[in-house]
Amino acid sequence: KAGVTQTPRYLIKTRGQQVTLSCSPISGHRSVSWYQQTPGQGLQFLFEYFSETQRNKGNFPGRFSGRQFSNSRSEMNVSTLELGDSALYLCASSLLTSGGEQFFGPGTRLTVL
Amino acid sequence: GDSVTQMEGPVTLSEEAFLTINCTYTATGYPSLFWYVQYPGEGLQLLLKATKADDKGSNKGFEATYRKETTSFHLEKGSVQVSDSAVYFCALLNTGGFKTIFGAGTRLFVKA
Repeated sequence: KAGVTQTPRYLIKTRGQQVTLSCSPISGHRSVSWYQQTPGQGLQFLFEYFSETQRNKGNFPGRFSGRQFSNSRSEMNVSTLELGDSALYLCASSLLTSGGEQFFGPGTRLTVL
Repeated sequence: GDSVTQMEGPVTLSEEAFLTINCTYTATGYPSLFWYVQYPGEGLQLLLKATKADDKGSNKGFEATYRKETTSFHLEKGSVQVSDSAVYFCALLNTGGFKTIFGAGTRLFVKA
């Protein structure tokens, strides 16, 4: 089975721009979670989607949004980028029956200049 | 709210040394507990897990025991290798929750 894929792997943007990141979960996985990883804050939960519905959301401003499609693929969008948004964005998918185990993609490294 | 606290790194060990990375948690109910590992340039991957009190998770020589009385899930390995150099994350998922809570991560360096 193919793993979780994220595109693009690297991205450079400037302040004020917006960005869309994509995540394709493992086939059959309907839950997709997004995390922001930075050296200072560690791994911070952004949101989780299941069957196109957002079930949980972390403590991030409204500039961060996401969605999930009927094929379970997910996108996250960050508008009006700030320097502090520079981070590794990780996507993880899981099965309801996997006992909570999450399968992570390699991440998208976003640099905001 | 639920939280996970793990020892700060970096931890630097020589090859074949004994490893302990401490992890304690705060949670209501009966969470499942996990250790994830992140190698350089990669996403996280599950190392081991335990779903109820006194369960021992093990994988690749690593072990951790779910201790409800001390709310702990310490990671141990008897003899580390250079290839174990990575960042280790302790995490919990509470019953009925849709959000995994991660600790801050502990970076391990193993010297040859």
